[in-house]
Amino acid sequence: EAQVTQNPRYLITVTGKKLTVTCSQNMNHEYMSWYRQDPGLGLRQIYYSMNVEVTDKGDVPEGYKVSRKEKRNFPLILESPSPNQTSLYFCASKDSGTGWDTQYFGPGTRLTVL
Amino acid sequence: GENVEQHPSTLSVQEGDSAVIKCTYSDSASNYFPWYKQELGKRPQLIIDIRSNVGEKKDQRIAVTLNKTAKHFSLHITETQPEDSAVYFCAASYNNNDMRFGAGTRLTVKP
Repeated sequence: EAQVTQNPRYLITVTGKKLTVTCSQNMNHEYMSWYRQDPGLGLRQIYYSMNVEVTDKGDVPEGYKVSRKEKRNFPLILESPSPNQTSLYFCASKDSGTGWDTQYFGPGTRLTVL
Repeated sequence: GENVEQHPSTLSVQEGDSAVIKCTYSDSASNYFPWYKQELGKRPQLIIDIRSNVGEKKDQRIAVTLNKTAKHFSLHITETQPEDSAVYFCAASYNNNDMRFGAGTRLTVKP
């Protein structure tokens, strides 16, 4: 089944404790992206990747890191999480970085930073 | 950078009525405008999109219109049904990459 998966789905952590949220897709998509969703603010793009080893900042990259060492995985790293990073995070992917393809979202990761 | 504004933030209609959600964008270079539907506790899903070389697109009960000059685009849902109840997001981007979303519209369809 074609899908985008994220792990963990729920995470409660404390300020300053490094964490990684994994994202994986099995559709051989070139493009992957991370968003955060907050009430009243919609979805905001954090980082995106057009292909392996190519990443670009989105609208709100501060406090986050990403890497794209292989096509199927695009982990989101919070080196020193803070309470303002409490949010619902979505990973997404689409076939091509330059095409008009549909973007498919993962199930979401709800992160709480205490 | 691009800024997308979406109105209204909440919309309540009677089943069978039409619903219209409006978005404006700031960057004239934006050329791709998708609409996503997000049901409670679920992930966003694309319901319709339009590119800047087209003024209108329709898919059954859903249509999107684009006015490039005024930099606004709208989602129209006709003959609404209770299952249309969800949060709807508009978005704008250049070449479907650096995506900017509106804040969302919570649509409630009353039976």
